[in-house]
Amino acid sequence: QQQVKQSPQSLIVQKGGISIINCAYENTAFDYFPWYQQFPGKGPALLIAIRPDVSEKKEGRFTISFNKSAKQFSLHIMDSQPGDSATYFCAATPIGGSNYKLTFGKGTLLTVNP
Amino acid sequence: ETGVTQSPTHLIKTRGQQVTLRCSSQSGHNTVSWYQQALGQGPQFIFQYYREEENGRGNFPPRFSGLQFPNYSSELNVNALELDDSALYLCASSQRGGGKNIQYFGAGTRLSVL
Repeated sequence: QQQVKQSPQSLIVQKGGISIINCAYENTAFDYFPWYQQFPGKGPALLIAIRPDVSEKKEGRFTISFNKSAKQFSLHIMDSQPGDSATYFCAATPIGGSNYKLTFGKGTLLTVNP
Repeated sequence: ETGVTQSPTHLIKTRGQQVTLRCSSQSGHNTVSWYQQALGQGPQFIFQYYREEENGRGNFPPRFSGLQFPNYSSELNVNALELDDSALYLCASSQRGGGKNIQYFGAGTRLSVL
């Protein structure tokens, strides 16, 4: 049972373009939605996160858009750079509970061409 | 760098053997979570340790077990290894409380079961 569905599986973008990755969740108990970036040979690193009480959060070139009624959220990378080439994972967790396990999507391999 | 260190970085075992993976959490963190990341997949939650006790478990059999020590470091033990146990094992540390669940990941241990 996949509780967080992520798309696309892979994405190729030209330098300067916008990268968009989408996620959908099923569990309405989720109320904290982080995005992680993973480079080869490294562990996932927290990129940006959002709570469902806001519809958008922006940090530099990275923006999360959140649609609570549709149970969907997305990551937008503006002015994509070759250094952004990595695998991106969306995740979700019911932060209010005692079990803070993260449920991850399957990941999106982003390639930004120079 | 997150300050979460895992050892060893790579490990090769044969089917039926037992393995112990180690994790040192980031300074000030009291919670350790373990995840299994199969090739091309998102991390899957194995279990979490808080105050030296297991606090939540994912869909993994009992042959996956763990420990947390007074200094908050942790071990993951896997008995009777199976070929499907081949994966990257990630440790994440966090600080329980404060309404936040920022998990910091180590670089992982790559386990190959032959």
